[in-house]
Amino acid sequence: GAVVSQHPSRVICKSGTSVKIECRSLDFQATTMFWYRQFPKKSLMLMATSNEGSKATYEQGVEKDKFLINHASLTLSTLTVTSAHPEDSSFYICSARLPRDISYEQYFGPGTRLTVT
Amino acid sequence: AQSVAQPEDQVNVAEGNPLTVKCTYSVSGNPYLFWYVQYPNRGLQFLLKYITGDNLVKGSYGFEAEFNKSQTSFHLKKPSALVSDSALYFCAVRDIPSGAGSYQLTFGKGTKLSVIP
Repeated sequence: GAVVSQHPSRVICKSGTSVKIECRSLDFQATTMFWYRQFPKKSLMLMATSNEGSKATYEQGVEKDKFLINHASLTLSTLTVTSAHPEDSSFYICSARLPRDISYEQYFGPGTRLTVT
Repeated sequence: AQSVAQPEDQVNVAEGNPLTVKCTYSVSGNPYLFWYVQYPNRGLQFLLKYITGDNLVKGSYGFEAEFNKSQTSFHLKKPSALVSDSALYFCAVRDIPSGAGSYQLTFGKGTKLSVIP
């Protein structure tokens, strides 16, 4: 149980275009999902916390107008990178938490490799 | 604020030998501690967690971790390393949200484990 999927696994886009990444909880409902960015050989940087039915909470320094997050249902959160530039190239990982899990363990998706040319 | 330190960027161990990946933490209150593993171009996989109870926690793939409150450590161990254990390992601590925010995980920078045949 507690499987999280991401789509696509890899995407290449041209500079100036927008890209949408989907994160789905396959066998549970996730009221809270998280979006991370990981640079090569670096730890995970939390970008935002996505709450179903409300606005996402962005971490300091993350541009909310550039990284649009929508959590419209209990099993789907999307991250849209708008007007992508080469510096946005990175590995994006989402995670989800089981409701009422007092340990607050997170279940991670397989990640999406974004390359902006 | 909560923090996690993984003092070693890389750990090399011979196959069949015991391995240890170090983690120390700083939290206010009771710590909720986690270990995750990441294989290349993949998301994070849960290994084990400490919430309360026995200080020795057993997890997936033969890994275990020992919670040491006096030393504020949560080192990951395995009695006999396998080549397939080679991966990036992250220690994490549950953060305490500010205001009405959601509980998050704070990750260490990661330790690359290489098991040499």
